[in-house]
Amino acid sequence: NAGVTQNPKFQVLKTGQSMTLQCAQDMNHNSMYWYRQDPGMGLRLIYYSASEGTTDKGEVPNGYNVSRLNKREFSLRLESAAPSQTSVYFCASSEAAVTLAKNIQYFGAGTRLSVL
Amino acid sequence: AQSVAQPEDQVNVAEGNPLTVKCTYSVSGNPYLFWYVQYPNRGLQFLLKYITGDNLVKGSYGFEAEFNKSQTSFHLKKPSALVSDSALYFCAVRGLYNFNKFYFGSGTKLNVKP
Repeated sequence: NAGVTQNPKFQVLKTGQSMTLQCAQDMNHNSMYWYRQDPGMGLRLIYYSASEGTTDKGEVPNGYNVSRLNKREFSLRLESAAPSQTSVYFCASSEAAVTLAKNIQYFGAGTRLSVL
Repeated sequence: AQSVAQPEDQVNVAEGNPLTVKCTYSVSGNPYLFWYVQYPNRGLQFLLKYITGDNLVKGSYGFEAEFNKSQTSFHLKKPSALVSDSALYFCAVRGLYNFNKFYFGSGTKLNVKP
């Protein structure tokens, strides 16, 4: 039972560098999400994908782009990393957001990103 | 707008004692509330949710939560704490109009001491 898999687990970038965070789920879920977790601020939604082929902005989308490559994979790209993007990034998926009973999110283990 | 607040950054409790982790919500409409737990270096795991019906919701690992509409609260409880319950707990509310948007509290660190 892999669930939600994120790569890499750790990354250090220099200001201005770019990188892509990978996320894949094997639960045949329709919806996928990217969050960032900062101390004392809980989780904040960056982008989400309600279904394959669609993406939408969350609370804090600036500086990020996403791609829903297929039903399984949802990547997050930082085009020009900034120190303010130092954070822990979590990918999550849920079966179907519109159905309350299926609206539970399953999270990956996270990517710890430092931007120097 | 929807939001939740967790007023305590940290809760300390002795093993075997009851525990409560507090959450209050602000929602214009019927709230759909969740509790998640995060163990060190892990992603969040679902504990329980309130949709409608019985105000006492039972979840995983012996946890339960009480929904109180008059106090706009959804406190997480457990009758007898275990050291292994030590973790970070998050309350969350689902968006009223956008079902894909969840709003998380800032988290409460639970320390259970032997």
